[in-house]
Amino acid sequence: GDSVTQMEGPVTLSEEAFLTINCTYTATGYPSLFWYVQYPGEGLQLLLKATKADDKGSNKGFEATYRKETTSFHLEKGSVQVSDSAVYFCALSDLSGSARQLTFGSGTQLTVLP
Amino acid sequence: NAGVMQNPRHLVRRRGQEARLRCSPMKGHSHVYWYRQLPEEGLKFMVYLQKENIIDESGMPKERFSAEFPKEGPSILRIQQVVRGDSAAYFCASSPGGQAVSNQPQHFGDGTRLSIL
Repeated sequence: GDSVTQMEGPVTLSEEAFLTINCTYTATGYPSLFWYVQYPGEGLQLLLKATKADDKGSNKGFEATYRKETTSFHLEKGSVQVSDSAVYFCALSDLSGSARQLTFGSGTQLTVLP
Repeated sequence: NAGVMQNPRHLVRRRGQEARLRCSPMKGHSHVYWYRQLPEEGLKFMVYLQKENIIDESGMPKERFSAEFPKEGPSILRIQQVVRGDSAAYFCASSPGGQAVSNQPQHFGDGTRLSIL
């Protein structure tokens, strides 16, 4: 079945540091890939997405590139802020069959210190 | 321009009681998904519904759990005879219908945090 493996946290960085959160996946078809962010006590918000190989998703300074050859979708940001502190989830949606649901990684807690 | 609305935000039940969780999708969305998040874990898919139809319930426990999305009103996730292990955050998501589903991300509600005493 489909699965997502995500870099374990927690991750603690100083403000303006470079961020990488690794994500790799296995899927039987051609999935779409997503990064969601969850702030404390809230639901998940879509951060960025990519629907085919070599696509780059970007939003709010975050980027991730869909790498089919390495089955990866690593999240990066050049300079993190305190307000980026949250839990980040990598997810895929494989539409090769009738499935529509998202398969999530276990999440990575990010804390950015001032 | 309301998003996905879930209620209640917090629900406390004693073992053996019933829990009913409600979800109103975004306006114009006809697909609803329920996920469960155990403490410090990712979200796990439970069930996918369209109006009056259960499309995929492969993630639902076989007993005590049921879901519906009636023609009128919110989607309901129902848990009968709750046990301690049901304590979790339950999230609802919705998406539009149509052919190009892969380009239509799911929008999430803020969740219902269920605590079983």
